[in-house]
Amino acid sequence: AQSVTQLDSQVPVFEEAPVELRCNYSSSVSVYLFWYVQYPNQGLQLLLKYLSGSTLVKGINGFEAEFNKSQTSFHLRKPSVHISDTAEYFCAVRLTNKLIFGTGTLLAVQP
Amino acid sequence: DAGITQSPRHKVTETGTPVTLRCHQTENHRYMYWYRQDPGHGLRLIHYSYGVKDTDKGEVSDGYSVSRSKTEDFLLTLESATSSQTSVYFCAISEPPLGSPLHFGNGTRLTVT
Repeated sequence: AQSVTQLDSQVPVFEEAPVELRCNYSSSVSVYLFWYVQYPNQGLQLLLKYLSGSTLVKGINGFEAEFNKSQTSFHLRKPSVHISDTAEYFCAVRLTNKLIFGTGTLLAVQP
Repeated sequence: DAGITQSPRHKVTETGTPVTLRCHQTENHRYMYWYRQDPGHGLRLIHYSYGVKDTDKGEVSDGYSVSRSKTEDFLLTLESATSSQTSVYFCAISEPPLGSPLHFGNGTRLTVT
C-alpha cells in the first residue's frame, strides 16, 4: 500500500525567507511524485513532478523539490517566498490509475 | 482549467435527497476522477473511470455511485445525501501514462443540511 505524509499542517514564514515543505511517502515500488498548489477557492494546479532521472526537479513559480529514495522523501523548497505564495500545498504519489494525496500544508507568508 | 467544467459550483440540499454532480471535459482524456476535499484529510479519491462505462472505486466510495456514458462526461451521484457528505468535490482528468499529471476542475461545494 502507498501513503503520503505531510508532517506540517501549517508553515508560517516571513516574506523573502526560504521555506521547505516536507513530504514522505511509503511505497514498495517505483513511484511518480507530484506537488500541487491550491490557491483559495480554486482547484489544484501542478507545481512539479518527479518521474525519473535527476533527483532535483524544478517547477513553476521558483519552486523545486528533491527526490531522496533512501529517505523516501520529496521535500518542496523555495529560496525566497512572496506573499503571493500563500496557499495550500499537496504532495501526491501515483500508482497505477490512482493519485494518492497527503493532507496538505498551508504556507502562510507574512509581510 | 484544462477544459474541465464542474456543475453546479455550489449546492445546498437536505439530508436524504439524491444529488448528482457533473464533470464535463473538452480534452478527450481517457481517465476521469472524483475526489472530495475535507479539512485535515486532503483530497480523497471517491471513484474513477478509465474509459467509457469503465469505473472503479476509490478509498471513500461508500454512499456514492458514478456513471460515464460518454468520454466527456463523468457523473457523481449521492443516492441519499447525508451530512457527512458535506464537502468540496473535485473532478480531475488525465491521460494514461503514469507520469501524466491530473488536471483539476474548480470544484463543487456541496452542503447537506
